[in-house]
Amino acid sequence: EVKLLESGGGLVQPGGSMRLSCAASGFTFTDFYMYWIRQPAGKAPEWLGFIRNKANGYTTEYNPSVKGRFTISRDNTQNMLYLQMNTLRAEDTATYYCARRSPTSYVMDAWGQGASVTVSS
Amino acid sequence: DIQMTQSPASLSASLDEIVTITCQASLDIGNWLAWYQQKPGKSPQLLIYGATSLADGVPSRFSGSRSGTQYSLKISKLQVEDTGIYYCLQHYSAPYTFGAGTKLELK
Repeated sequence: EVKLLESGGGLVQPGGSMRLSCAASGFTFTDFYMYWIRQPAGKAPEWLGFIRNKANGYTTEYNPSVKGRFTISRDNTQNMLYLQMNTLRAEDTATYYCARRSPTSYVMDAWGQGASVTVSS
Repeated sequence: DIQMTQSPASLSASLDEIVTITCQASLDIGNWLAWYQQKPGKSPQLLIYGATSLADGVPSRFSGSRSGTQYSLKISKLQVEDTGIYYCLQHYSAPYTFGAGTKLELK
């Protein structure tokens, strides 16, 4: 069974940093692109970026809205995905999801349950 | 960025009714369009990919279609468990963008 489990959310002050983690299981982690998506309460999801699979060199792509502040990385020995978030703003408050991309549909076919991040003083 | 204009924003329909939700892309995205359903407090679940292909385990009453840059999700016979918020997603060009969502309720 495919499982994705986010952790590391919570309350952070404006200007602060936070790292989210996503533990993956039930599939061959290195074969898959991995994504981060966020969703402010009551709003549509926003794609943040992805990190490619082994075959594509684990390179990254970001939404310009977070590029330069957010960094996606992965530890393939531990089947872990990370999102490092710096210089956080109130508008970064959201539920953050990790997801994997299906190699057949090229779309996110499995999502975690989400981690809540609140940026407030 | 590619804009996805989704309509309607909300919809109330009766059991067994046919329901249609649409997304208009701001430019040609081919078939790089997916539909998701989201229940309260849960993550989105994939319904349709490639504009018209049904994801694994999704009931056959769901279907997707495309006409140019307009994409539609159709529920042929609305069931109680189909309530929730539906989003389209274009993954043709980064940044990938979602529609604003359609909240579907039972009348």
